[in-house]
Amino acid sequence: GQNIDQPTEMTATEGAIVQINCTYQTSGFNGLFWYQQHAGEAPTFLSYNVLDGLEEKGRFSSFLSRSKGYSYLLLKELQMKDSASYLCAAMDSNYQLIWGAGTKLIIKP
Amino acid sequence: GAVVSQHPSRVICKSGTSVKIECRSLDFQATTMFWYRQFPKQSLMLMATSNEGSKATYEQGVEKDKFLINHASLTLSTLTVTSAHPEDSSFYICSAREPDRESGTLHFGNGTRLTVT
Repeated sequence: GQNIDQPTEMTATEGAIVQINCTYQTSGFNGLFWYQQHAGEAPTFLSYNVLDGLEEKGRFSSFLSRSKGYSYLLLKELQMKDSASYLCAAMDSNYQLIWGAGTKLIIKP
Repeated sequence: GAVVSQHPSRVICKSGTSVKIECRSLDFQATTMFWYRQFPKQSLMLMATSNEGSKATYEQGVEKDKFLINHASLTLSTLTVTSAHPEDSSFYICSAREPDRESGTLHFGNGTRLTVT
């Protein structure tokens, strides 16, 4: 079956770095997405990886290893506003998104 | 950037009534739109895929007659919750795929918080 695993909750300190891991199993693969979702709001797009390696966008970076079915989202210089849920989603061969349950990131001062 | 507008943002209705939620792509044409439902502290659950000019594709377990989807134009899809009940109270979110961008990049509406009393 198709499955996405990511930690339920993580805690980090303001100014620090945190890595949120995601493993996936899908029927075919057409990319891995990360979205940020603040409580009560819709998700916003953060990153898309379809090739192996690290993609950097400012404070946020995303990594993909297709052979391992593994991705991570790296957040640097954490700010209080980064407190949110981070959703990992993999696109299967039918271009359908398979969603993880999300990782709630708590930032402490 | 691409924007998806969803309306209304909040709606309270009485049990037995119907509610329509609109999803518009403002600066691009979306042949495909998606409707999700999200319960508190849970991930998005895909309800249906809305295809312009044809019938929507519903996920298993989603009642077609209860959640009516219409995708009448390339920029508008609507979800109508018919004969709403308290258990239909949820956060409903639409998304549209921006064409000619990174494969499958989705843009989300701001969501609709439905409360059925």
